Amino acid sequence: AQTVTQSQPEMSVQEAETVTLSCTYDTSESNYYLFWYKQPPSRQMILVIRQEAYKQQNATENRFSVNFQKAAKSFSLKISDSQLGDTAMYFCAFMKMKTSYDKVIFGPGTSLSVIP
Amino acid sequence: DSGVTQTPKHLITATGQRVTLRCSPRSGDLSVYWYQQSLDQGLQFLIQYYNGEERAKGNILERFSAQQFPDLHSELNLSSLELGDSALYFCASRGGGGGHTGELFFGEGSRLTVL
Repeated sequence: AQTVTQSQPEMSVQEAETVTLSCTYDTSESNYYLFWYKQPPSRQMILVIRQEAYKQQNATENRFSVNFQKAAKSFSLKISDSQLGDTAMYFCAFMKMKTSYDKVIFGPGTSLSVIP
Repeated sequence: DSGVTQTPKHLITATGQRVTLRCSPRSGDLSVYWYQQSLDQGLQFLIQYYNGEERAKGNILERFSAQQFPDLHSELNLSSLELGDSALYFCASRGGGGGHTGELFFGEGSRLTVL
């Protein structure tokens, strides 16, 4: 069974600085998706970034980028120029790519606080 | 706006009661997922439906049941409620077939409080 681990329960970063959130996963699959979701205090779940495992290039979305290391089964999220609005819980998630109806496995989350 | 609609947004009830949470997925999405998030906890996968059929089951209690109807909306039924069932219940949907990008689109959640 697939598992997702986030080893940092809480992190903090100064506004405008850069922070990296860690995620590791365990799977025997070769094709899969990885995601980072953000959950601000409003509790809404918001997709931050997506990575397909067959793509070697790391995904980027504005200030958010990932470091995807397939062999190491690592998928870290880098947030550059941190803003107060980045304060949220961040969840790493995994999904097999085999079918269109596989479940999505979430990690336990990392609570990020951006300090003014 | 994700396009996923959940009702009710808030619900307060007593122990032993039964409630139904409703979810309307994004237009055209065939998969519906239900997750439970207790206070300061992660997302616990409950159950998934694809085009009306149950496809995957997580740590869903026997007191809980769900279904997906022909119009693709889904309902999560929670019965014999206990204090520990108080949580935020998320519904999410996802496209099916080729061309989908994989991610789940979440509703705003239904916050259940059991007193």
